[in-house]
Amino acid sequence: GDSVTQMEGPVTLSEEAFLTINCTYTATGYPSLFWYVQYPGEGLQLLLKATKADDKGSNKGFEATYRKETTSFHLEKGSVQVSDSAVYFCALLGGGADGLTFGKGTHLIIQP
Amino acid sequence: SQTIHQWPATLVQPVGSPLSLECTVEGTSNPNLYWYRQAAGRGLQLLFYSIGIGQISSEVPQNLSASRPQDRQFILSSKKLLLSDSGFYLCAWSGLSGSSRETQYFGPGTRLLVL
Repeated sequence: GDSVTQMEGPVTLSEEAFLTINCTYTATGYPSLFWYVQYPGEGLQLLLKATKADDKGSNKGFEATYRKETTSFHLEKGSVQVSDSAVYFCALLGGGADGLTFGKGTHLIIQP
Repeated sequence: SQTIHQWPATLVQPVGSPLSLECTVEGTSNPNLYWYRQAAGRGLQLLFYSIGIGQISSEVPQNLSASRPQDRQFILSSKKLLLSDSGFYLCAWSGLSGSSRETQYFGPGTRLLVL
């Protein structure tokens, strides 16, 4: 079945550092890929998405490119802020699936 | 704009007690609705999804059930809670088909602790 693998962390960075959170997936066909963010005590918010190979999703300074050849969708940001501290989930929606398949989440801590 | 509500926000229940969690969506019609659970130390798992009133599909065998009595209302229930039912329950909605089905939007969640 479909699966998503991402680094679990916690990942601790200083403010203004460069961020990469790796995400790789296994799926049949051509899934859509997503990054969701969960701030403390809250539900999930859609951060960005990409629906086909080589698409780049971007939002709030975050970017991720759908790489079919490496089955990856790594999340990047050039300069993180303390307010980016949260748990980030990579997810996919397979062609015949009804619900999202999530990775286990990466806890990101940004220190001032 | 569309909004999704869940209540209660937090719930502490004894083992063996019943459960009812409610989710409602505003600003859209005929949504697909979903229940996910986020258990401690584990990722998010799809529990149920619904494509219409009275139409429920279960993804995993469990102690829980779901119902959709109205188009924009989705209820998660249990007759007798187990310790393993503790977790963070998230409701989500998406469009019915095509590209609108691809993106799911989540509610604020209900944190359930079974003691």
